[in-house]
Amino acid sequence: KQEVTQIPAALSVPEGENLVLNCSFTDSAIYNLQWFRQDPGKGLTSLLLIQSSQREQTSGRLNASLDKSSGRSTLYIAASQPGDSATYLCAVEGRNTGFQKLVFGTGTRLLVSP
Amino acid sequence: DVKVTQSSRYLVKRTGEKVFLECVQDMDHENMFWYRQDPGLGLRLIYFSYDVKMKEKGDIPEGYSVSREKKERFSLILESASTNQTSMYLCASSPSSGRVETQYFGPGTRLLVL
Repeated sequence: KQEVTQIPAALSVPEGENLVLNCSFTDSAIYNLQWFRQDPGKGLTSLLLIQSSQREQTSGRLNASLDKSSGRSTLYIAASQPGDSATYLCAVEGRNTGFQKLVFGTGTRLLVSP
Repeated sequence: DVKVTQSSRYLVKRTGEKVFLECVQDMDHENMFWYRQDPGLGLRLIYFSYDVKMKEKGDIPEGYSVSREKKERFSLILESASTNQTSMYLCASSPSSGRVETQYFGPGTRLLVL
């Protein structure tokens, strides 16, 4: 059974720092891995999607990498801003789980202080 | 922009009541999903649907049912609400485009069962 783990559970940094969020998964047979952002009391917003054949994806100050063989992904946020404060979730769509069935981690809660 | 709306942001119900949570998407997506989100457990898939009148059980379907009579609407039904169904409920949709696609989430319904 696919399990997704995110470390750390919470992170607090001062504005301007570069930071890395980690995601690991147990079954490397995946279609893709996605990173989402969730603001308090709100739904999820997709940030980046990395297909299994890709190594990384970039969007603005965000860069996500994927090492399928080791079951790891990282989300790198450059020059963090207070507006980046949110919970970041990674999710895996696995070949053994089923098409479009996402397995989520429990998230990393990020606080960026001015 | 894709828009997924949920009928209520907050609901308070009594144990034993029948509860309907409605989700509507405006982008003609084939796939729709219902998740619940609990602290420490992350998002878990309750039910999903690939087409009108089709439904598939997710990981935690017990105590829930769904209805999809129209393509744009996916309803989650709690036949007899219980206190352990107090949770945040999130609806999502995605297209069946043949390409890799993310899921688009609604704002969530926070349900309290007393």
